[in-house]
Amino acid sequence: DQQVKQNSPSLSVQEGRISILNCDYTNSMFDYFLWYKKYPAEGPTFLISISSIKDKNEDGRFTVFLNKSAKHLSLHIVPSQPGDSAVYFCAARMDSSYKLIFGSGTRLLVRP
Amino acid sequence: DTGVSQNPRHKITKRGQNVTFRCDPISEHNRLYWYRQTLGQGPEFLTYFQNEAQLEKSRLLSDRFSAERPKGSFSTLEIQRTEQGDSAMYLCASSSPGRTGNSPLHFGNGTRLTVT
Repeated sequence: DQQVKQNSPSLSVQEGRISILNCDYTNSMFDYFLWYKKYPAEGPTFLISISSIKDKNEDGRFTVFLNKSAKHLSLHIVPSQPGDSAVYFCAARMDSSYKLIFGSGTRLLVRP
Repeated sequence: DTGVSQNPRHKITKRGQNVTFRCDPISEHNRLYWYRQTLGQGPEFLTYFQNEAQLEKSRLLSDRFSAERPKGSFSTLEIQRTEQGDSAMYLCASSSPGRTGNSPLHFGNGTRLTVT
């Protein structure tokens, strides 16, 4: 039972353009959504989060959008840089729980 | 902030052997988590500690797996009678006390286990 889904295993974008990574979820009880970035041979590092009471959160080049009715969120990276090339994981959690549930990840390649 | 430290980084073992991994969380973090990641998948929750108490253990963990966090500081994850299916990256994470909310988990660089 995969509660958090990232249906695109990979994405390739030209440097300077926008990267849009998508995530869908099935559990309407999720209260928080987080994005992590992972480089090879390293653990995931936290990027940005959003509460279910908001529909947008922005931090520099990174913006996360949440559409609760569609159970969909997306991470926008503008402008994309080669250093952004990594695997991006979407994760979700209920306020009553400490458990973070991850999607399977999307590998982003930003071409110079 | 030295981050979450995991040792060893790599472990190769023969099927049937026991292995133990260690995790040192960020010092002020009272919450500690173990996750497992296999190729092409996201991290999967294994177990969670708040201070020294193990509050949840995933159904993914068979009784060959045991985790401890004595004195609420470092944690160990032991796998007994390893099987080839145990080959994975084992990730430890910690988070700060207070409301869970969107408080992020801080991950270590993991221990990669290969069972031959």
